[in-house]
Amino acid sequence: AQKVTQAQTEISVVEKEDVTLDCVYETRDTTYYLFWYKQPPSGELVFLIRRNSFDEQNEISGRYSWNFQKSTSSFNFTITASQVVDSAVYFCALLDSSYKLIFGSGTRLLVRP
Amino acid sequence: ETGVTQSPTHLIKTRGQQVTLRCSSQSGHNTVSWYQQALGQGPQFIFQYYREEENGRGNFPPRFSGLQFPNYSSELNVNALELDDSALYLCASSYGTAAANEKLFFGSGTQLSVL
Repeated sequence: AQKVTQAQTEISVVEKEDVTLDCVYETRDTTYYLFWYKQPPSGELVFLIRRNSFDEQNEISGRYSWNFQKSTSSFNFTITASQVVDSAVYFCALLDSSYKLIFGSGTRLLVRP
Repeated sequence: ETGVTQSPTHLIKTRGQQVTLRCSSQSGHNTVSWYQQALGQGPQFIFQYYREEENGRGNFPPRFSGLQFPNYSSELNVNALELDDSALYLCASSYGTAAANEKLFFGSGTQLSVL
């Protein structure tokens, strides 16, 4: 079955701390895509990154970095030097073979000043 | 700004009623998908339309239906509302049929409450 698990329901950190959001996925497909989205209180899902299954290179974009490991079926997301504006719900998602996104249950991140 | 607009932002209905939710996508976005997000959960795929034809459906009953129009607007219709239909409904659009090749642009959603 295709499944995405985000075991961390809620994380609270103090501003400037680093924080890692975990994502574990299950899929039978050999070709697949993984995503991270951010959902601020306004409700819309903001695209952060897309990674395909053939590209295991880690990626860094400013304060954001992603660690994709096929061997452990994980696609973790790290925010360095967190800021209050990073407070949101973060979703990891898997694109299945019929091109629908399967989302995890989300991790609520609270960054306190 | 994603260029995807949903209306209304909030809606209250009673059980058994029918509701229509609307979405307006960017010009050129031929694919529109609808997702249901219950409180505290991740979005669940309802269905997808490409060039006005349904081309994918999630595990939702037939009382959930949709339409896509040539002017890049679309509708989600829900008949015989049930209490469990209370959720945030998200519309997402993209240029092609496969979300892998393009980003999905999401609207801010319609919060539906069924009493």
